[in-house]
Amino acid sequence: QKEVEQDPGPLSVPEGAIVSLNCTYSNSAFQYFMWYRQYSRKGPELLMYTYSSGNKEDGRFTAQVDKSSKYISLFIRDSQPSDSATYLCAMAGAGSYQLTFGKGTKLSVIP
Amino acid sequence: GAVVSQHPSWVICKSGTSVKIECRSLDFQATTMFWYRQFPKQSLMLMATSNEGSKATYEQGVEKDKFLINHASLTLSTLTVTSAHPEDSSFYICSGQGGGFLANEQFFGPGTRLTVL
Repeated sequence: QKEVEQDPGPLSVPEGAIVSLNCTYSNSAFQYFMWYRQYSRKGPELLMYTYSSGNKEDGRFTAQVDKSSKYISLFIRDSQPSDSATYLCAMAGAGSYQLTFGKGTKLSVIP
Repeated sequence: GAVVSQHPSWVICKSGTSVKIECRSLDFQATTMFWYRQFPKQSLMLMATSNEGSKATYEQGVEKDKFLINHASLTLSTLTVTSAHPEDSSFYICSGQGGGFLANEQFFGPGTRLTVL
């Protein structure tokens, strides 16, 4: 079992839809949870950063962490064509700077 | 946010030659820099971790003599792919992490696409 599992998609939604992206993980030592957005042939860009369990909201984006289920989510409200990208979840343990990435989910928002 | 640049953004080379990729943190001091490799439709795979002034720590399966990493200053790290072969063709991405940021927060460069003919 891989440490981080993420459905690679692709996922296509109409403009304005609510998008739900998810990752599961097996390492209970993970304490830091990140979501990155990566456009084609570009480096990842940090979208959301969460420590431990809970929710975090930033504009149209909401990140949720459920450590009891080892499950994290990213919700995108009122999705836009510019949100079309690959979304990577990443995690790290306390005191560690090394990130473990999911495979990424490719999202297409259709106008 | 903090900015990391990479140069070149794209390089094509002949098999057997060496290629150097630069990674610079433009507006912060990166005490730690990471080098990743990403194959098409795959996630980022960590190759090595380097701290300024120290030898890099390589991940299992990554040949340290083939992928030379130098982190000579707090704003510059270089990755040299020596005697490159077609199987080394990939997207190489660096990231920087510096003091004062949230723990584990890394800022990524735009990546360098390497094609070995």
